[in-house]
Amino acid sequence: GAVVSQHPSWVICKSGTSVKIECRSLDFQATTMFWYRQFPKQSLMLMATSNEGSKATYEQGVEKDKFLINHASLTLSTLTVTSAHPEDSSFYICSARAQGGAAEAFFGQGTRLTVV
Amino acid sequence: GIQVEQSPPDLILQEGANSTLRCNFSDSVNNLQWFHQNPWGQLINLFYIPSGTKQNGRLSATTVATERYSLLYISSSQTTDSGVYFCAVGEAGTALIFGKGTTLSVSS
Repeated sequence: GAVVSQHPSWVICKSGTSVKIECRSLDFQATTMFWYRQFPKQSLMLMATSNEGSKATYEQGVEKDKFLINHASLTLSTLTVTSAHPEDSSFYICSARAQGGAAEAFFGQGTRLTVV
Repeated sequence: GIQVEQSPPDLILQEGANSTLRCNFSDSVNNLQWFHQNPWGQLINLFYIPSGTKQNGRLSATTVATERYSLLYISSSQTTDSGVYFCAVGEAGTALIFGKGTTLSVSS
């Protein structure tokens, strides 16, 4: 299957600082990528849809000014958590589909963010 | 939006036992995937199965799209099968919507 690489795998940051998470599709081009958040013992919740060359679409309740998404190329989307606070601590996972309308989605390894 | 329900929420098995996990969804979809989330959080793709039946080793899955459900079968379970199993559904080009998962514990 296709490979989606996410970096970093884990990060610890101080309250008030910003953290950038990268999501790359290694062997295919993805016009659309998706960002999810998962709290302990819960399911994955969609945060936003990232479209190459245009603004991201955010789910209801997700602050677009706190979670900045950039999808500058067909293989890279980034999520920046700005002015992070302890309640932003979570597991963030990205997903991508290949171009051409293929339906199967592939997921990155996830990033565990801890804000202290 | 589409609702996804998984059952049972928790399952405890002895090694060697078989199990069936169920996923019901509320609307027609053209993508259904099963995942196993390992202890480090990574989602392992098990099946892409919008319809029909597939098998991969001790695992198999069946989706009956017209009746809006899918089943994941695990045979001769092993301790390494433990973890959370997610069903996720969606339309082409849109995000997958996840169920709440089934937590499987296999003891030796």
